[in-house]
Amino acid sequence: DVKVTQSSRYLVKRTGEKVFLECVQDMDHENMFWYRQDPGLGLRLIYFSYDVKMKEKGDIPEGYSVSREKKERFSLILESASTNQTSMYLCASSSVWVDYGYTFGSGTRLTVV
Amino acid sequence: KNEVEQSPQNLTAQEGEFITINCSYSVGISALHWLQQHPGGGIVSLFMLSSGKKKHGRLIATINIQEKHSSLHITASHPRDSAVYICAVLNRDDKIIFGKGTRLHILP
Repeated sequence: DVKVTQSSRYLVKRTGEKVFLECVQDMDHENMFWYRQDPGLGLRLIYFSYDVKMKEKGDIPEGYSVSREKKERFSLILESASTNQTSMYLCASSSVWVDYGYTFGSGTRLTVV
Repeated sequence: KNEVEQSPQNLTAQEGEFITINCSYSVGISALHWLQQHPGGGIVSLFMLSSGKKKHGRLIATINIQEKHSSLHITASHPRDSAVYICAVLNRDDKIIFGKGTRLHILP
């Protein structure tokens, strides 16, 4: 069964901490994405990557960075966590835009206190 | 105005009812996706459409490119269909734009 795995389901961090959210896919997909989901705002793209060591800013990249050293792994980094980064974070991967070709992880609910 | 609008925002129905969720978009697209998100957050891709109609079990998705509108139908709804259903379009620049979702609650 193909999968996108996010390392943590729930995470509580303190303001100012550096936070790493990890995402691993086993489908050999070229494209990987990080979204955050907030009530009333829906899913918003933070960063995406079309290839190893490649990254592109999405709609809301401020306060975040990413790393893609290997094809299967895409990390989201909160350099200095703030309370407005409390959210559900979803990772996704895709190869081509075909049926069932866009796969999401289960999400990481991050709370910054 | 959002580029992808879904209606209704919330829907509660009795088990067995026929369900329709609508999605309208204002941009040119190359494809439209229907996603299902269960409580707890995991998202599953249900359909990808670029024209016409697709069926998968009790789920049917249609799209009218000229009217920039898509519908997701659920026949013989069941409590396990309770979820948030999200419409997403891929625009001409290959950017994915999400609707805000429709929260469906099926009562037993």
